[in-house]
Parts: sequence; structure tokens; C-alpha cells
Amino acid sequence: QQPVQSPQAVILREGEDAVINCSSSKALYSVHWYRQKHGEAPVFLMILLKGGEQKGHEKISASFNEKKQQSSLYLTASQLSYSGTYFCGTGPTSGTYKYIFGTGTRLKVLA
Amino acid sequence: NAGVTQTPKFQVLKTGQSMTLQCAQDMNHEYMSWYRQDPGMGLRLIHYSVGAGITDQGEVPNGYNVSRSTTEDFPLRLLSAAPSQTSVYFCASSLDGTSGIETQYFGPGTRLLVL
Repeated sequence: QQPVQSPQAVILREGEDAVINCSSSKALYSVHWYRQKHGEAPVFLMILLKGGEQKGHEKISASFNEKKQQSSLYLTASQLSYSGTYFCGTGPTSGTYKYIFGTGTRLKVLA
Repeated sequence: NAGVTQTPKFQVLKTGQSMTLQCAQDMNHEYMSWYRQDPGMGLRLIHYSVGAGITDQGEVPNGYNVSRSTTEDFPLRLLSAAPSQTSVYFCASSLDGTSGIETQYFGPGTRLLVL
């Protein structure tokens, strides 16, 4: 079952902040975040591990609450280059080695 | 390093035809996987492999076959193409997919249109 992301789409002005949420029905060991520009392949942003470890990338940070099986991606002072579709992905769980991605959140940053 | 390469970039098939989407990586990655991407559906896992000779089904495996005879290559076969298989297909690899902490590297994708 795919993780559910919210919102599905968001439009921002340059300099504004945004939060993208990812919720899973299964217990999570790790959460991965990727960004995909239109017509391109997804590119890795960061990974969060069980235990609450947070990692950041430029002005993008994320959190992981394993009890709630949720992760959030925080984009601060957004730039035009942040436009794209963001995916959360969940790492292997319960003896399988499947990486399952969420439904995606389309982010558009306007000048 | 070329990274993850996919061929062809674009393909048009007629219903019922078969074809193989090629994927290769030169990073000595053990883990490889195939996803399809449809509007509003995100990336859905078709098949994956944790090493040469070992493959397993993902979330949407019907209509697709895979094999992994070498570490480098992971082809995806469409046995009898259907319009529902019109999609963008991405191949991805990571050093070790069993740990859950490895970055996945994606290929540029193959756009498939089934008429």
C-alpha cells in the first residue's frame, strides 16, 4: 500500500514556506524523500531513519515520527528551483525488500 | 560512471506486441528495481532484485517479467502489451537495498505508448 501524501498540490510565492506530509499504514524503518522535475528522473533529497534522526538538505529539512508512521518535509524560504513533484518513499519492512513510494505532491513556486 | 541507463527512451507498441525495456548500471549496485509512473499515481513498484539471480514481485507485477543474470543488467519484459501499460517506466538501483538506508539512483525513464 502506497504512503499517502498531502497536500496533493501546492502553489507558493518565492520566499514562502511549505510542509509536505507523508503517512503510512505500515510500520516504518526509514523514510526517503525525492524530488522530480518535469520530464526528469526522481533525485534523492534525504533519508530519515527510525529513532528520530533528522537530516537536512539546503533549506529543506524533514522529520520522522515512527510511532505515528508519518514524515514531514519542510521547505523554508522556497526558491524557484524547488518546483517539482516530491515523493516520500518507505524502505524495506517485515522481511521484504520493497521500496514503496507515495502518491506525490506537486509544488509550484512562482516569482 | 554512466550511472543508470535505460533504452529505449520512447517506444510505441501495438496491443499484443511484446518488448523488453533495458536497464543497466555501472556502479556495482546489488539492488535494482522497476517502477511505472502514471499521472496521480506516483511511482509504483513492478519488480525488484536484491542481487544476480534473485528477483521478486512488487506492487503491480501483472503483465511483466524480469530476470537478473548479471549484476549490471535488469531487463523488464512486457509479454503482451495492453493500453493499460502506457506509462513512463523508471529503473532504479542502490548499493544494498536490504538495509533500508541506501540512496536509490534512477535512470532517465522510458516512455511507452501502447495503441
